[in-house]
Amino acid sequence: DIVMTQSPLSLPVTPGEPASISCRSSQSLLHSSGNTYLEWYLQKPGQSPQLLIYLASSRASGVPDRFSGSGSGTDFTLKISRVEAEDVGVYYCMQTLQAPRTFGQGTKVEIK
Amino acid sequence: EVQLVESGGGLAQPGGSLRLSCAASGFTFSAFEMNWVRQAPGKGLEWVSDIDSGGSRIAYADSVKGRFTTSRENAKNSLSLQMNSLRAEDTAIYYCARERTGAGNGLDYWGQGTLVTVSS
Repeated sequence: DIVMTQSPLSLPVTPGEPASISCRSSQSLLHSSGNTYLEWYLQKPGQSPQLLIYLASSRASGVPDRFSGSGSGTDFTLKISRVEAEDVGVYYCMQTLQAPRTFGQGTKVEIK
Repeated sequence: EVQLVESGGGLAQPGGSLRLSCAASGFTFSAFEMNWVRQAPGKGLEWVSDIDSGGSRIAYADSVKGRFTTSRENAKNSLSLQMNSLRAEDTAIYYCARERTGAGNGLDYWGQGTLVTVSS
């Protein structure tokens, strides 16, 4: 199985400041099609998860442009250009290259 | 409006069974792959299973393989998860989620989840 490792696991942030979360996979997520099968989700307190980023860098519909995904192969990053109070919650990366799909442990983002 | 509503959760004994359902509405259910994802109390997300649009290709997490069975009835816009030989570690909120068309395009709609508790 592909192991997904996120860091940090906890991230205190200041509103208006940037934030960054790392996700590493135990093997490359690059498919022969040229696509990279890495997704990012945010689970806000008390809510179901919501899709932020798919194919490593494509923003899902309705996701603010302060969120961006980057990376390739085994190293990926989710960046928030300017954190807002509504961005608190737990962020997860997930690989969908092969079954079983696997999530990272989650990164809890909270306001300082 | 896309809606996914899970049901069937509750208390089950170790070794027992439960059947979860996910009622879909607001989209052409038969055109989309569907997933089950669970979350143990206070823990992270764990992918459980997915099923393609026609129900012919199904995959499972190692932790549930051989015990859980995913199925769908497209005519009824319904997704199911039959859970047998339940263990304490299966205690979790179970979410159904729709997968956007095309490989790797993400789980764009999620239900509110249904809680399964396995305890004697």
